[in-house]
Amino acid sequence: DQQVKQNSPSLSVQEGRISILNCDYTNSMFDYFLWYKKYPAEGPTFLISISSIKDKNEDGRFTVFLNKSAKHLSLHIVPSQPGDSAVYFCAAIDPGTYKYIFGTGTRLKVLA
Amino acid sequence: KAGVTQTPRYLIKTRGQQVTLSCSPISGHRSVSWYQQTPGQGLQFLFEYFSETQRNKGNFPGRFSGRQFSNSRSEMNVSTLELGDSALYLCASSLGPSGGNNEQFFGPGTRLTVL
Repeated sequence: DQQVKQNSPSLSVQEGRISILNCDYTNSMFDYFLWYKKYPAEGPTFLISISSIKDKNEDGRFTVFLNKSAKHLSLHIVPSQPGDSAVYFCAAIDPGTYKYIFGTGTRLKVLA
Repeated sequence: KAGVTQTPRYLIKTRGQQVTLSCSPISGHRSVSWYQQTPGQGLQFLFEYFSETQRNKGNFPGRFSGRQFSNSRSEMNVSTLELGDSALYLCASSLGPSGGNNEQFFGPGTRLTVL
């Protein structure tokens, strides 16, 4: 049973526009979330995180929003650049075991 | 500072064989976690080692095992390989045990193909 879900396997966006990647989770006990970016032939790299005490965290062009009541988080990239084309994974840390639980990923393609 | 290194990068095995993958964490990092990535399944957690002890284990059969050495290097072993074991195996290291304040740094992965 997938506890962290990314329902959109792929997304295409024009350069300069906003990219919105979505992630849903099922366990209301999850209290820390992360986004990773993965290029082909490389391991995932950490992008941005958010704790459940916040509903927004910003880092440059990247902003993560957390809606605890909906058990939903989203990653906004503004403006999108061709170099942002990658697979994006969201992850939650299980507070009981500290395991990282990853979603299935969304492939973002930014069109020049 | 060198990143996480994994060897080999690519591996082809046949069903029934066994395989050992190696991960060298970032210098000073004591925690190593292993993940399996397959299309449509995302990253599935295999296990985490911290200070040579298995701290966490995912839902994988006993054919998957691992260990960590005193220098924090880790190996994972898969015995009696099955076709479904074909995947990218990723290793991640962090300074301390996994948790919110201990960022995980991933290696490039080992692509295992089972024929």
